[in-house]
Amino acid sequence: SQKIEQNSEALNIQEGKTATLTCNYTNYSPAYLQWYRQDPGRGPVFLILIRENEKEKRKERLKVTFDTTLKQSLFHITASQPADSATYLCAWRGTGGKLIFGQGTELSVKP
Amino acid sequence: NAGVTQTPKFRILKIGQSMTLQCTQDMNHNYMYWYRQDPGMGLKLIYYSVGAGITDKGEVPNGYNVSRSTTEDFPLRLELAAPSQTSVYFCASSYSMGQMGTGELFFGEGSRLTVL
Repeated sequence: SQKIEQNSEALNIQEGKTATLTCNYTNYSPAYLQWYRQDPGRGPVFLILIRENEKEKRKERLKVTFDTTLKQSLFHITASQPADSATYLCAWRGTGGKLIFGQGTELSVKP
Repeated sequence: NAGVTQTPKFRILKIGQSMTLQCTQDMNHNYMYWYRQDPGMGLKLIYYSVGAGITDKGEVPNGYNVSRSTTEDFPLRLELAAPSQTSVYFCASSYSMGQMGTGELFFGEGSRLTVL
């Protein structure tokens, strides 16, 4: 079956370092992936989209890569700040318009 | 601009009761979605709609029903509440994925449902 998986272990890093989160997919080839941020008790907020023909996409301190050979997207936050602490989710749009999310990775940035 | 509005924000149900979670969006989006999120878990798609009069099942549709009679509204119906339906429910909407668009989802604030 088609799956999208994120590292379920929380990621703890020091302020100023680069956080790297992983999204792996199996048994399909998404045309694009989306990344969202979710704060406790809130709905997710869209951050960035990368299409299959874009190897890399940048937006301010965010950088996303899309490797169709490895079936993987990497999400980087450079110069991380405590305010970046949240859960980050990747998502892909399947047939018919449905949007499927990974389980999310919790990021904690310590001062 | 209200965006996506969900009601109620909190609700406690007894086993076997029925209720409807309301969702309204004012962005003229044609796509709408219902997700549930259990503690510490990701979002699971319950039902979605690509336009008025069109709905389809997601990953976990059992125990739920939806309708989409207008572009703005997408209510989620729980017919016989069970403890397994205790969760936070999120409604979302988006434009369809166009060549230049991101197809990003806009989410409501969530409805926290407890079934006892």
